[in-house]
Amino acid sequence: NAGVMQNPRHLVRRRGQEARLRCSPMKGHSHVYWYRQLPEEGLKFMVYLQKENIIDESGMPKERFSAEFPKEGPSILRIQQVVRGDSAAYFCASSPRSAGETEAFFGQGTRLTVV
Amino acid sequence: AQSVTQLDSHVSVSEGTPVLLRCNYSSSYSPSLFWYVQHPNKGLQLLLKYTSAATLVKGINGFEAEFKKSETSFHLTKPSAHMSDAAEYFCVVSARQAGTALIFGKGTTLSVSS
Repeated sequence: NAGVMQNPRHLVRRRGQEARLRCSPMKGHSHVYWYRQLPEEGLKFMVYLQKENIIDESGMPKERFSAEFPKEGPSILRIQQVVRGDSAAYFCASSPRSAGETEAFFGQGTRLTVV
Repeated sequence: AQSVTQLDSHVSVSEGTPVLLRCNYSSSYSPSLFWYVQHPNKGLQLLLKYTSAATLVKGINGFEAEFKKSETSFHLTKPSAHMSDAAEYFCVVSARQAGTALIFGKGTTLSVSS
């Protein structure tokens, strides 16, 4: 059983471009979480999704950021019109049930650099 | 509301000496608590978890943590540090009743010298 797969591992975008980050959860996991990690800081929750539904997006910036987890395929975190401040490591996690009931398994992250 | 405070941003130990990484939490509910480790440029790996069973939890690589409700603490310990333990450690709280997110502390960097 492969772990949580994130791609790409590294992504470079110019200011104003779009960034698409992909996350394939572990087999059998229908809960996906996205976190952002800035240098010298812990992980900040962004959004929690279950198949085709956004359950909690309280940590997501109101503009330019969106997330989806379609019935088929990976979860996508999309950042439109990227700015330098979006440079960070973005981690995806998955779990078979709500993270309050069981641990979440993390991917290796996508490191986004905006130039 | 839930929150986590890791009391030390950086801990340095010598190889073979004990490790203590401190964590205090705040939760209005019965929390689940986790410790994750992150090696440089890597993802996060679960070390151990507390989910209302035994208060002394044993994890991987010789780590353990004790849940103390009266002190709202969940400190991580290891009797003897190894060079490979050098990494970033995160204390995490969650509660099913509070919603769904894992709340992370800011992390403690553990350095191990020979």
